[in-house]
Amino acid sequence: QQPVQSPQAVILREGEDAVINCSSSKALYSVHWYRQKHGEAPVFLMILLKGGEQKGHDKISASFNEKKQQSSLYLTASQLSYSGTYFCGTGNSGSARQLTFGSGTQLTVLP
Amino acid sequence: DTAVSQTPKYLVTQMGNDKSIKCEQNLGHDTMYWYKQDSKKFLKIMFSYNNKELIINETVPNRFSPKSPDKAHLNLHINSLELGDSAVYFCASSLGQKNTEAFFGQGTRLTVV
Repeated sequence: QQPVQSPQAVILREGEDAVINCSSSKALYSVHWYRQKHGEAPVFLMILLKGGEQKGHDKISASFNEKKQQSSLYLTASQLSYSGTYFCGTGNSGSARQLTFGSGTQLTVLP
Repeated sequence: DTAVSQTPKYLVTQMGNDKSIKCEQNLGHDTMYWYKQDSKKFLKIMFSYNNKELIINETVPNRFSPKSPDKAHLNLHINSLELGDSAVYFCASSLGQKNTEAFFGQGTRLTVV
């Protein structure tokens, strides 16, 4: 079943922070985050595994709460280049083979 | 060099036609995928191939058939195209192990008229 992402869209100014949430009704082993810019391919950001770990990537970090079956992506001090659609992919194993993607969150960063 | 390349980038065709989309990866990955992204941006997996063996087929109509001549290629053949097949199709690849990322091609925008 497809994970649910929220919000569907967010607009913010350069330098502001944003949080994107991803939740699943099924038990999760892993959560993958991807960003897709308009007209381009999705690009990998990070993978989180069960165990409640938190990972970081520049000013983009994420957490994974397996008990709540949720993951959150944190974008700090947003840059114009952060604009795009963010997808979470959830799986019941660590492999990308069994990913089910959410419907995406469209993030727009304005100057 | 492009890691995952797919051709063509754009494809416009009439209903009822048969078409193919090609995909090649030079990353040495052992698993390749086809995803369909519709107008609402839902990214849905269609197939994945691991070592030339189909391992996922997510309720895709049998008009769609993946063909993998070798580990580096996974082509998508579509018979009797319908209007609802219009979408962007992405090829991707990964190492078929845990904790690995998928690399996507640039997509093929298919328009059925």
